[in-house]
Parts: sequence; structure tokens; C-alpha cells
Amino acid sequence: AQSVSQHNHHVILSEAASLELGCNYSYGGTVNLFWYVQYPGQHLQLLLKYFSGDPLVKGIKGFEAEFIKSKFSFNLRKPSVQWSDTAEYFCAVSSDYKLSFGAGTTVTVRA
Amino acid sequence: DAMVIQNPRYQVTQFGKPVTLSCSQTLNHNVMYWYQQKSSQAPKLLFHYYDKDFNNEADTPDNFQSRRPNTSFCFLDIRSPGLGDAAMYLCATSRAGQGVETQYFGPGTRLLVL
Repeated sequence: AQSVSQHNHHVILSEAASLELGCNYSYGGTVNLFWYVQYPGQHLQLLLKYFSGDPLVKGIKGFEAEFIKSKFSFNLRKPSVQWSDTAEYFCAVSSDYKLSFGAGTTVTVRA
Repeated sequence: DAMVIQNPRYQVTQFGKPVTLSCSQTLNHNVMYWYQQKSSQAPKLLFHYYDKDFNNEADTPDNFQSRRPNTSFCFLDIRSPGLGDAAMYLCATSRAGQGVETQYFGPGTRLLVL
């Protein structure tokens, strides 16, 4: 069975700062990787996904993630955050039509 | 817009009183999922339907059941809610069988057990 670990439970940063959220997974087979975001009071939304091909994936709202197979990692990045990026971020790995989520990282952006 | 709809958004029930949460989708996806998400935790998969086939997770309590009368609708039944079942319940859908699927989530139903 696959598992997903997110390194940071809570990240606090100021507007315009750069953001990087770590995600590692344990699964020996072909993986499909996702980052979902949950804004306060809203539903889970897909930020970006990796299935194959270019390991650098660009998503919505200026986010990108890099798949590094040798490190079993799929870290999320944004060069310059905005107050509106305050949210909970979940990394997930898919196998057999099912998603396994990491515990999530709460990101608080101070204006 | 095609979407995943959950009703109600908030549900209050009494300890031990059966409750049903509903999910509908206009995406025509063949897989529907139910997740339980407790505060500050990751969503936890309870079960899913692949077409009409029900797939239960090994650690899902028997207290939780599901029905899918047609492609568009899926229900979560909690037969005897306990205080520990208070959570956000998320419905998701995906289209399996066409490469790798992305799951699309509804807004969730927050269940409060008194």
C-alpha cells in the first residue's frame, strides 16, 4: 500500500515570499501524483497533477511541482505567494482508482 | 457547469439516529467515492463504487453503508451515528478506464452528532 508524508504541518509566511511544500511517497509501482488545495470553507480543488512525461508540472494560480523519482518526492512550489494562497494543501498519490492523501499542510500568508 | 453536488451542506443528527447524506454529479463519471475528513486531518476513503460494483475499505466500520441507485447519485448511510462520526463527509467522482483519473470533489457535508 502506498503512503504519503508531508513534511510541514503549518507554514506561516509573508506575501511575496517563496513557498515550497515537501511531499514524499512510498510506493514501488507507477505513481500518479496530485496536489489538492482546500481554501477556508471551500471544497478540495485540484492544483496540479503528474502522470508521466516532464517531471516539472505547472498548475493553476502559479503553482508548480517537481517529480523526482529517485527521491520519491513531489514538492510543491510557488515563487511569490499572495494572501489568497492561505489554505490547506494536500499531496496525494493514486493507485487502483483510489487516492491516498498526506496529512496536509496549513499555509498561512500574512498580508 | 458540470459538478459534484452534496446535500445538505450541514447535517445535525442525534446519537444513534440514522442519517443519510447525498451526492449527485453531472460529470457522468463512473466512479463515486465517499471520504471522511476530521478536523485538521487528511480525507480518509470509506468506500467507492466503480459503476455498480461496491468496494469497501477494510477499516470502514459496518455502521457506514452506501447506495448508488444510478450513475448520478450516491448515498452515504450512517446507521447509528456516534459522537466520533462527527466529521466532514466528502463525495468525489472520477472517470476510470480512460487513462489516469482525476478525482473531483463536492463541497462536503458537515455532520454534527448531538
